[in-house]
Amino acid sequence: GQQVMQIPQYQHVQEGEDFTTYCNSSTTLSNIQWYKQRPGGHPVFLIQLVKSGEVKKQKRLTFQFGEAKKNSSLHITATQTTDVGTYFCAGHHTNAGKSTFGDGTTLTVKP
Amino acid sequence: EPEVTQTPSHQVTQMGQEVILRCVPISNHLYFYWYRQILGQKVEFLVSFYNNEISEKSEIFDDQFSVERPDGSNFTLKIRSTKLEDSAMYFCASRDRNIPGDSPLHFGNGTRLTVT
Repeated sequence: GQQVMQIPQYQHVQEGEDFTTYCNSSTTLSNIQWYKQRPGGHPVFLIQLVKSGEVKKQKRLTFQFGEAKKNSSLHITATQTTDVGTYFCAGHHTNAGKSTFGDGTTLTVKP
Repeated sequence: EPEVTQTPSHQVTQMGQEVILRCVPISNHLYFYWYRQILGQKVEFLVSFYNNEISEKSEIFDDQFSVERPDGSNFTLKIRSTKLEDSAMYFCASRDRNIPGDSPLHFGNGTRLTVT
């Protein structure tokens, strides 16, 4: 079946350090979305990437979609304590009704 | 901003009992989903629902599970005979379209189901 892998599972950083999470799909995606889940909360949509090689920025967050539309990354520059949570990618495959979530990367930030 | 609402927030039930988890999706949305998340693990797809029928379901969504849209606003997930391994957070989600260039999933706050 369609699988979406995400690494690392956990990342502990000192406040101010950078953070990156990587997402890989076993098959080509029509688009990829990124969600953030705060501890005890629900996933909240961050961004969607559709085009091959697309790069989008939201303040300190940079999202990339690979040329083959099978991988993606989220990079946070100069992490803050408010960045803590689990970041999920969710891949959407053409003709599929669902989004397939990656395993998530849980980020903790030490002040 | 409109949101997806789920009730109850926490449900405790005994093994073998039936439970119904309720959701009110965002009113102009067309596609509805149930996902579940076992504590500390990934968000797993259960079922998608469009035009009053199931459009896709996962291996998890076996004969013990059913979904219904009994009226114009509610979307329910029923587990007929709960098992211990059904304990998880169940999220309802909706989106307003389902084509390439897809729209975001809007999640509810979830129902934490505990089966004892």
